Amino acid sequence: EAGVAQSPRYKIIEKRQSVAFWCNPISGHATLYWYQQILGQGPKLLIQFQNNGVVDDSQLPKDRFSAERLKGVDSTLKIQPAKLEDSAVYLCASSSLADTQYFGPGTRLTVL
Amino acid sequence: SQQGEEDPQALSIQEGENATMNCSYKTSINNLQWYRQNSGRGLVHLILIRSNEREKHSGRLRVTLDTSKKSSSLLITASRAADTASYFCAIGSGTYKYIFGTGTRLKVLA
Repeated sequence: EAGVAQSPRYKIIEKRQSVAFWCNPISGHATLYWYQQILGQGPKLLIQFQNNGVVDDSQLPKDRFSAERLKGVDSTLKIQPAKLEDSAVYLCASSSLADTQYFGPGTRLTVL
Repeated sequence: SQQGEEDPQALSIQEGENATMNCSYKTSINNLQWYRQNSGRGLVHLILIRSNEREKHSGRLRVTLDTSKKSSSLLITASRAADTASYFCAIGSGTYKYIFGTGTRLKVLA
């Protein structure tokens, strides 16, 4: 079974630029999560999708972050414009109804 | 917030010793999960324990849950250098929603 795929693995941008991350969950997993993990901290949930609908986006900074999950499969997370404090690892995870989340390798973002 | 708080923040032990880390939370939960994260990599699911369970085992891992104390512990027995990683608890509530703790950084010395 293929795992959760994410790209790119690394990204370096200047502040005020925009960036997009892509996630392909495990086939058949209805729930998809995007987390932000700042160095030395635990992952923080940004947004949770159930199929292509948003379940929770209460911690998503909506003035600069956006996410979509077209057709209930792949998802993209966008930051526009980026700030220095957005430097972090962005993790995508998916799960079926069995609760266990399967994580991708993450995208390490550096904002200069 | 139901964020799990883990202690200790860091733990250093010798190979072969047991490692115990704890997670405390504030409100009721559906389940609690433990994950491992090796440096620079994604999280790997270790074990899930439901709110009506008290103890679960998986290989060298033992997880306990005390809902009256709102706490859980992860025990790794006979630790190995390969167990060196950060360990996180994830508090499960609502509709498959999880909030992660602050993590325990475990270092196993060979």
